Amino acid sequence: DGGITQSPKYLFRKEGQNVTLSCEQNLNHDAMYWYRQDPGQGLRLIYYSQIVNDFQKGDIAEGYSVSREKKESFPLTVTSAQKNPTAFYLCASSPGRGVSTDTQYFGPGTRLTVL
Amino acid sequence: SQQGEEDPQALSIQEGENATMNCSYKTSINNLQWYRQNSGRGLVHLILIRSNEREKHSGRLRVTLDTSKKSSSLLITASRAADTASYFCATGEGGFKTIFGAGTRLFVKA
Repeated sequence: DGGITQSPKYLFRKEGQNVTLSCEQNLNHDAMYWYRQDPGQGLRLIYYSQIVNDFQKGDIAEGYSVSREKKESFPLTVTSAQKNPTAFYLCASSPGRGVSTDTQYFGPGTRLTVL
Repeated sequence: SQQGEEDPQALSIQEGENATMNCSYKTSINNLQWYRQNSGRGLVHLILIRSNEREKHSGRLRVTLDTSKKSSSLLITASRAADTASYFCATGEGGFKTIFGAGTRLFVKA
């Protein structure tokens, strides 16, 4: 999993609660990403950030929010507006400004379960 | 919609056999990458092949790319139990976006 960490590994949330997933990297990468993975499926992009203090919506941003105040940190908040948040969440980073030719480095993931 | 689609969805082989996975995509790409994911873990990058390359090797891995057929294959030779994982292709269309397929689940029996 290289120099990118996610916490917690497992997270349980009651309906109606907001929760924040942590993602930290010490790879000095400019670009960072959040993906959602559902069982037996590929990754879907939630948000991405190409540089500090800037981020863009991905394909499934509704019900999620992010911030990028520091280069090494890209936390994801799952809000109560997200109707089906139970999933495996993966954070990644890449060395360029997010061009699609870059290799992405992934964290170990956070499994979120809504009770 | 998914850009890369892997085939087969699942593959079970004996240790020592070769494993071949295929990926098809729809639009023009700049590059295609293969990643591996062990159960409950993050993805690990295996190999990148650019649109002007036809074949690439890395250890026991061999990747081919046929842009005329919009397809790629990943061959793992002399498979080991430790190769048991899901394998994803990811395509870069240019600009920012990288799109991941749904993956092939490989099970290597010891």
